[in-house]
Amino acid sequence: ILNVEQSPQSLHVQEGDSTNFTCSFPSSNFYALHWYRWETAKSPEALFVMTLNGDEKKKGRISATLNTKEGYSYLYIKGSQPEDSATYLCALYTGTASKLTFGTGTRLQVTL
Amino acid sequence: SAVISQKPSRDICQRGTSLTIQCQVDSQVTMMFWYRQQPGQSLTLIATANQGSEATYESGFVIDKFPISRPNLTFSTLTVSNMSPEDSSIYLCSVEAGPSSYNEQFFGPGTRLTVL
Repeated sequence: ILNVEQSPQSLHVQEGDSTNFTCSFPSSNFYALHWYRWETAKSPEALFVMTLNGDEKKKGRISATLNTKEGYSYLYIKGSQPEDSATYLCALYTGTASKLTFGTGTRLQVTL
Repeated sequence: SAVISQKPSRDICQRGTSLTIQCQVDSQVTMMFWYRQQPGQSLTLIATANQGSEATYESGFVIDKFPISRPNLTFSTLTVSNMSPEDSSIYLCSVEAGPSSYNEQFFGPGTRLTVL
C-alpha cells in the first residue's frame, strides 16, 4: 500500500501571507506527481503534473517543486488571497493500472 | 478538457436504502473512474468503468455494494447499496485528461452523501 502524506493537515493564514505545504511519497514508486486544488462544492482542479527531479512549475502566484530522490514536493502560494482558500491535494502516479494515490490534503483558509 | 456533471449534488439517506449517482461527461471517453472521500480520509478509487465491459474494482470494494453501469461513452452510474453511516462520503466521478497526461483527471463536482 502506497503512503502519500501531506502536511500540515490545515493552515490558516492572513491575506498577503506566503505559505507552503508538503507532499511526501515513496521515492522508489515515482512516475509522476499531481497537485490539485479542491474548493468546497466544486470539482477538484488540476494545478500541476510533475515528472522530473528538480522540476519547478508555476501558475500565477502558485508554484511547486519536486525532489524525486528524497520523495517530496512543495507547493508554494505567494501573497495568499481569500480565493486561494481550498483543499490542496497531491497524488502519486506509479505508472501502473492508471491509478492515482492521493494524500489526505492540506486545507488552507485565507482570511482578510 | 472535459466538463463533468453529477447528480445529485447531495443527499441525506436512511440506513439500509440505496442511492444511485449519475455522472455525465460532455465528450466520449473510454474509461470513467469513481472515487470516494470519507471524512478525514484520502480520495480513494472505488472502481474503473469501461464501456461495454464490467467495472474493475479496487481492493476493498465489491460489485454487490457498489454496482456500476456504463451504458455508453458519456455516462455512468454508481449505486451505493444497503447504506450504513460509514458510507457517508463525497463521491466523485472522473475521466482521464489524455493518453500522455500521466493519468491527470478531470473531476465532477461530487455527490455529498450523508447516511443516518
